[in-house]
Amino acid sequence: NAGVMQNPRHLVRRRGQEARLRCSPMKGHSHVYWYRQLPEEGLKFMVYLQKENIIDESGMPKERFSAEFPKEGPSILRIQQVVRGDSAAYFCASSTGTGASEQYFGPGTRLTVT
Amino acid sequence: AQSVTQLDSQVPVFEEAPVELRCNYSSSVSVYLFWYVQYPNQGLQLLLKYLSGSTLVKGINGFEAEFNKSQTSFHLRKPSVHISDTAEYFCAVSAPNSGNTPLVFGKGTRLSVIA
Repeated sequence: NAGVMQNPRHLVRRRGQEARLRCSPMKGHSHVYWYRQLPEEGLKFMVYLQKENIIDESGMPKERFSAEFPKEGPSILRIQQVVRGDSAAYFCASSTGTGASEQYFGPGTRLTVT
Repeated sequence: AQSVTQLDSQVPVFEEAPVELRCNYSSSVSVYLFWYVQYPNQGLQLLLKYLSGSTLVKGINGFEAEFNKSQTSFHLRKPSVHISDTAEYFCAVSAPNSGNTPLVFGKGTRLSVIA
């Protein structure tokens, strides 16, 4: 059973460009969470999605950031017009969403904005 | 709302010595508690979790943690560390009665095992 997949693993963007981060959850998992890890910080929750629904986006910046989890295909975290402060590691986690379901983490995408 | 405090940002320890990584949490409701390990440039791996029942929880790689409700703590321990335990360790909480809520993480403790 493949784990949570994220790509790309490393992404370099110039200021003002768009960044698209992809997350494929584990097989059988219908819940996806995105977290951001800034240097020397713990992980901070951004958004929680089920297939075709955003459940909780309370941790998402109001501008430039969006997320989706379509019926088919991976979850996408999109950052428009990136700035240097967006440089961070972005982790995706997935779960079955039932009971006390454990979140399984992907290897992360390390975004560098130059 | 929940919060997590990891009291030590860095813990150096000699190989084969015991180690304790401290974690305190605050919450107005009952919580689930987790410890994750992150090796350099990798994702997070679950070490152990407390959901209910016995307050002493055993995890992978010889780690264990004890849930102390009165002290709102969930300290991680290992009796004898190895070089390969060098990593970042994160304590996290979630609120079980609110569905599949996101995890709230501490800032992490960097464990450095010295030969």
